[in-house]
Amino acid sequence: EVHLLESGGGLVQPGGSLRVSCAASGFIFSNYAMSWVRQGPGKGLEWVSVISYSANTTYYADSAKGRFTISRDNSKNTLYLQMNNLRAEDTAVYYCAKAAGSGWSPDFWGQGTLVTVSS
Amino acid sequence: DVVMTQSPLSLPVPLGHPASISCRSSQSLVHSDGNTYLNWFQQRPGQSPRRLIYQISNRDSGVPDRFSGSGSDTYFTLRISRVEADDVGIYYCMQGTHWPPFTFGPGTKVDI
Repeated sequence: EVHLLESGGGLVQPGGSLRVSCAASGFIFSNYAMSWVRQGPGKGLEWVSVISYSANTTYYADSAKGRFTISRDNSKNTLYLQMNNLRAEDTAVYYCAKAAGSGWSPDFWGQGTLVTVSS
Repeated sequence: DVVMTQSPLSLPVPLGHPASISCRSSQSLVHSDGNTYLNWFQQRPGQSPRRLIYQISNRDSGVPDRFSGSGSDTYFTLRISRVEADDVGIYYCMQGTHWPPFTFGPGTKVDI
């Protein structure tokens, strides 16, 4: 059974940094691209970033470019999102999501971790 | 970026009645490979999103057959043949043809 468990969320001040993680199990992690998608309080879904199965290729939403870095450790079955220079508008639940098949589009999602940016 | 819109944004439905949600894209979602990458997600209250439908009309494993997807080009529809209490939540369409970025519709809230 596919399982994705996010962790590392919390309260951070504006301008601060945070790294969230996603531990994967139940599938061959190194075979799939992985995404981060966020959801602000009471808001819709916003795709943030995706990384290829081999970590060779990454893409970012404009809102994340230059501030966020997606990475993965296939030996640990873990996905990461390093977030720097955080702003109040980055406050959201951050979901990691496995890609569908050999593609890039997210299909299965974790339960999410809440990141709150506030002074 | 491709803009996704949905209507209605709120949909109260009596139990056992059908429901229909529309999704439009700002440009055609037909990929150069001939496929159309339009997915539907369900988010029940307090839960993470779950994919229901991929490539317009293909149901994911375990999705009841009362859910169906249709459409083409820029106009798509998710139908629930007979709404059950378990179907309460927010439904999002998402395009995976012209990415990055993957883009979602604003969501349609279905309640009883």
